[in-house]
Amino acid sequence: GAVVSQHPSRVICKSGTSVKIECRSLDFQATTMFWYRQFPKQSLMLMATSNEGSKATYEQGVEKDKFLINHASLTLSTLTVTSAHPEDSSFYICSARVESAQGGYTFGSGTRLTVV
Amino acid sequence: GEDVEQSLFLSVREGDSSVINCTYTDSSSTYLYWYKQEPGAGLQLLTYIFSNMDMKQDQRLTVLLNKKDKHLSLRIADTQTGDSAIYFCAEASGGYNKLIFGAGTRLAVHP
Repeated sequence: GAVVSQHPSRVICKSGTSVKIECRSLDFQATTMFWYRQFPKQSLMLMATSNEGSKATYEQGVEKDKFLINHASLTLSTLTVTSAHPEDSSFYICSARVESAQGGYTFGSGTRLTVV
Repeated sequence: GEDVEQSLFLSVREGDSSVINCTYTDSSSTYLYWYKQEPGAGLQLLTYIFSNMDMKQDQRLTVLLNKKDKHLSLRIADTQTGDSAIYFCAEASGGYNKLIFGAGTRLAVHP
């Protein structure tokens, strides 16, 4: 079935540095990918919708200059957290739309970001 | 805007049935989903239902959809300790059919 590989699974970085999270579709082409953020014991908050070859669409309240999304190919979307601060510590999950997959969406396994 | 609500906590005895409820607001949603999340892990799709269906059953899972009331439920028969997790209801909404999630229901199964 359709698989999205998300890396890294866990990252610890220092305040002020940038972190890149990758999501790759392994056996299908992902025209649209979604990036979510999840705080402990809370729901998934949609941050942005990423479309191959065009600018991402950000949800209200999400800083596009802080959370840079690049979807340069049909198999790769990246989220870069720039100048990370402790309040950016969270669980980030990507998802891709797959028309042929059961239910139409497949999720990455998530990235636990801790900023110290 | 879109909104999905669900109760936050449910405790059941092993072997009993669990019913998790969800309400949503976007009447144009085409698909509604139930996902399971175990601690520290990603999301696992449990089941989904198309908006023109009233009920869908898949082994121990039964989904009921009341489109008029915008109410969705997930019934887990013969609940086991391995079913302990957080269950998220989600609707596909908007131009890109983005998934909007509820807050999640934490299911605790006790002996």
